[in-house]
Amino acid sequence: NAGVTQTPKFRVLKTGQSMTLLCAQDMNHEYMYWYRQDPGMGLRLIHYSVGEGTTAKGEVPDGYNVSRLKKQNFLLGLESAAPSQTSVYFCASRAPGVTGELFFGEGSRLTVL
Amino acid sequence: RKEVEQDPGPFNVPEGATVAFNCTYSNSASQSFFWYRQDCRKEPKLLMSVYSSGNEDGRFTAQLNRASQYISLLIRDSKLSDSATYLCVVNYSSSASKIIFGSGTRLSIRP
Repeated sequence: NAGVTQTPKFRVLKTGQSMTLLCAQDMNHEYMYWYRQDPGMGLRLIHYSVGEGTTAKGEVPDGYNVSRLKKQNFLLGLESAAPSQTSVYFCASRAPGVTGELFFGEGSRLTVL
Repeated sequence: RKEVEQDPGPFNVPEGATVAFNCTYSNSASQSFFWYRQDCRKEPKLLMSVYSSGNEDGRFTAQLNRASQYISLLIRDSKLSDSATYLCVVNYSSSASKIIFGSGTRLSIRP
């Protein structure tokens, strides 16, 4: 019963490198989200998707790109990593309906040196 | 102004105490509201949804005041296991798809 799976769980990058975080869900949810969480702070929405082939900007989209080519996958890309992007990244998918629950992955800890 | 605001705490209360958190949101078109709990270095998990009529789940009671645009969470007879960060969450858009988190309120229960 996997739910939401994020890969990789840990990554260290040098400034200027690129990488992609993968989020996969097996619950057939339409809505998926990427958040970042910095120490002592709540989650800030980066991008979200309301279905295959669609994406939208959240609160802090700059420096990130996303793609939702398949319903079950939501990719978060950093084209040129910066130290300010050092954070824990959480992916979530949402159950149907206005009150649908968010199901989170375990998080991906990214450090940019 | 942040879209969802919470008192960051920390709240440090003795076991058995009653503690209350408040949260305010800025978009009057927001459609649904939640409290999530996050343990240290873990992913958030749903604690309860919040309805206008108020709802209760054991020792937890959540209230929504649409006129004043605030949400509250009351924890009665607090347990050591209630120590966590409590996140106020608002489904922010009229399309009910943009979900915004508050910065969280940290609660520590002492024996």
